[in-house]
Formats: sequence, C-alpha cells, structure tokens
Amino acid sequence: DGGITQSPKYLFRKEGQNVTLSCEQNLNHDAMYWYRQDPGQGLRLIYYSQIVNDFQKGDIAEGYSVSREKKESFPLTVTSAQKNPTAFYLCASSIWVGQSNQPQHFGDGTRLSIL
Amino acid sequence: RKEVEQDPGPFNVPEGATVAFNCTYSNSASQSFFWYRQDCRKEPKLLMSVYSSGNEDGRFTAQLNRASQYISLLIRDSKLSDSATYLCVVNIGNYGQNFVFGPGTRLSVLP
Repeated sequence: DGGITQSPKYLFRKEGQNVTLSCEQNLNHDAMYWYRQDPGQGLRLIYYSQIVNDFQKGDIAEGYSVSREKKESFPLTVTSAQKNPTAFYLCASSIWVGQSNQPQHFGDGTRLSIL
Repeated sequence: RKEVEQDPGPFNVPEGATVAFNCTYSNSASQSFFWYRQDCRKEPKLLMSVYSSGNEDGRFTAQLNRASQYISLLIRDSKLSDSATYLCVVNIGNYGQNFVFGPGTRLSVLP
C-alpha cells in the first residue's frame, strides 16, 4: 500500500542529545512537511520541502534540522538546542504545489519525550 | 487576525443530532479547502475536500462561500464514532507554506 511511514512511534531523548525522526513516503509526492503538535494545540509547521535538495523553514524551525537527499525521505533532527522538544511530531506529504486541489497525507506520528 | 479560524468547542451533542462547524479564512486568494478529522493522539485524516458547488459524502456535507470566506461542515445523524477534532485546512496556493491549518473544533457525541 502507498503511504507515509514514520519511525519510531515513541522516542525518548536525554538532555543534550540529538535525535532523528524518520519519514518515508512511497506516494511519489514532491512536497514533504514536518509539523509539531503540543497537547490540546493545533499543528505548527517546522520545515517543509517542495523538491529534493531544497527545504525551507516553517514557523518554528529553531532547534530543528532536516535534509532532503531523496524524494522519498525527509528526516527531522531534533537538536539539543530545542529546549522543549516533548511533543507529537507529524510528517506529511502532498503532490506538487501546482496542483493545489490535492490534500496532504499524514504519517501516524512520532511521540517524543524527554528523559 | 489568524489566517484560519474555527470555534474550538467543545460541541457536545447527543447521538442522532445534526451539528455544523464553521471555518473562516483571511486570504482571499485561497484555492482549495479541506476538512480533516483527528482522533485523540492520532494523525489527522482527510475527511473530505470542499468544492465550490458544495459536496456531500454520506452523512457529511461541506459547503464553501468564497464571497464571505468561510467553509462549513454539517454532520447529520451523529454517531459516537464521530467524536473527534475537526480541522479546517486551506491551501493558499503559494509555492511554499501553502497549507494553513485551523486550530480545530472538538466534537463529543454523547450516548
């Protein structure tokens, strides 16, 4: 089945540690996105990428980094500079930007907690 | 003014009731519109796209009013399983941060 796979489902980070969240899609979508959701809150955009080897900061990029070396993959690194990383992280993808009537599709998320 | 606004609720309705949610958006250049459903501690899932002429999918009806810049979602004959948060999403069509999410409206359908 085509879809978006996020791993791991749960992740624990020690103080001062960098951790990387995986996001892979086999939908042949050009655009990929990372969101953060805190309890009872809406989605906030961290980074997005419209094409391979290109990505842009979203609204809350500080303390995070990404790469887009392959169309299928858009990993997110939560660095030690992110002081409050505990949240639900969602990866999404969509077909190319010109077809704006196409929706986003989401992975089932990674829940990150501080040890 | 936020780009996409929704009444946060919660809406508590009995089973079988009809409930409607509204969503307003500020960018008049917005091109496409969607309703997503998000269950507690799960990812958002596409419920339906919203077309200019309005569209229906079973018990769910979505409407768009471009002149007033709002979209609506009507749920008829509510089921317990409809309990979730409903997210209004607008695609503003720019290259880049094109999807804008509303904060969501929480629905609880009570037995």
